[in-house]
Amino acid sequence: DIVMTQSPDSLAVSLGERATINCKSSQSVLYSSNNKNYLAWYQQRPGQPPKLLIYWASTRESGVPDRFSGSGSGTDFTLTISSLQAEDVAVYYCQQHYRTPLTFGGGTKVEIK
Amino acid sequence: EVQLLESGGGLVQPGGSLRLSCAASGFTFSTYAMNWVRQAPGKGLEWVSAILGSGDNTYYADSVKGRFTISRDNSKNTLYLQMNSLRAEDAAVYYCAKPHAPDPKNFNYGLDVWGQGTTVTVSS
Repeated sequence: DIVMTQSPDSLAVSLGERATINCKSSQSVLYSSNNKNYLAWYQQRPGQPPKLLIYWASTRESGVPDRFSGSGSGTDFTLTISSLQAEDVAVYYCQQHYRTPLTFGGGTKVEIK
Repeated sequence: EVQLLESGGGLVQPGGSLRLSCAASGFTFSTYAMNWVRQAPGKGLEWVSAILGSGDNTYYADSVKGRFTISRDNSKNTLYLQMNSLRAEDAAVYYCAKPHAPDPKNFNYGLDVWGQGTTVTVSS
C-alpha cells in the first residue's frame, strides 16, 4: 500500500498569513504515460463531508478560491493557503488516487492563531 | 444539482449485517465508477471500496475484503454496500463519493462529490 504522511499534524496561522501543509507518499504517484501526479487535497470542516480542493496535485477544483494552491511531484507535495481566512479552519487531507487501495494522509488541522 | 444521498446506517450487534444505499442524482450515474469511504469517530478518512461503471469490477480495502460487497443498480442510479460480519472497528460514518471525471472503467480520480454520510454503530 502507498502510505501518505502529512505534516504538521496541526498548525495555527494568523488571519491573512500563509499556511503550508506537506504530504509525502511512500511511492511515486506520478504516472509517466500522462505525466500526471495522482494526488488530491480535501478540506473537511466539522460535521461536514470532505470537499475536493485540488486534483492532479495542482489543478484547482471549480469554485475553489485561488488562495488554495497545490504543488509538488513524485512523492512530495504541498498545499498552500496564501492568505488564511476564518472559513478555512478545517482539517485538510491529501489522498493518492494512483492505485488501490486509495489512501489518505492522517490529516492536518488548521486553526486561527 | 449533483447529489448523493446515503441511507441504511444504524446500530448493529457485532457479527451482524447492514446494507447501505447511496442514491445518486444530477449526473449520468453509469458513466462513473463509485466509491465508499468511511471515517471512524474522531479519526481520518479510510477508503473502503470502489466499483466500475458497469459493476463488473470491484475493489476493496484489506480491512473489509471478504466481509463487504459493493454493488450498483444503474437502472435505479443507486450504489450499495452490503456489510456482513461487522466488527466494532467498522463503526464509522460511511460516505459514498463520485470521481471528478466520467470514466466507467477507471476510478483513479479525485472525489468531487460526497454524500452527507450515514452512521454505522457496532455495539452489543
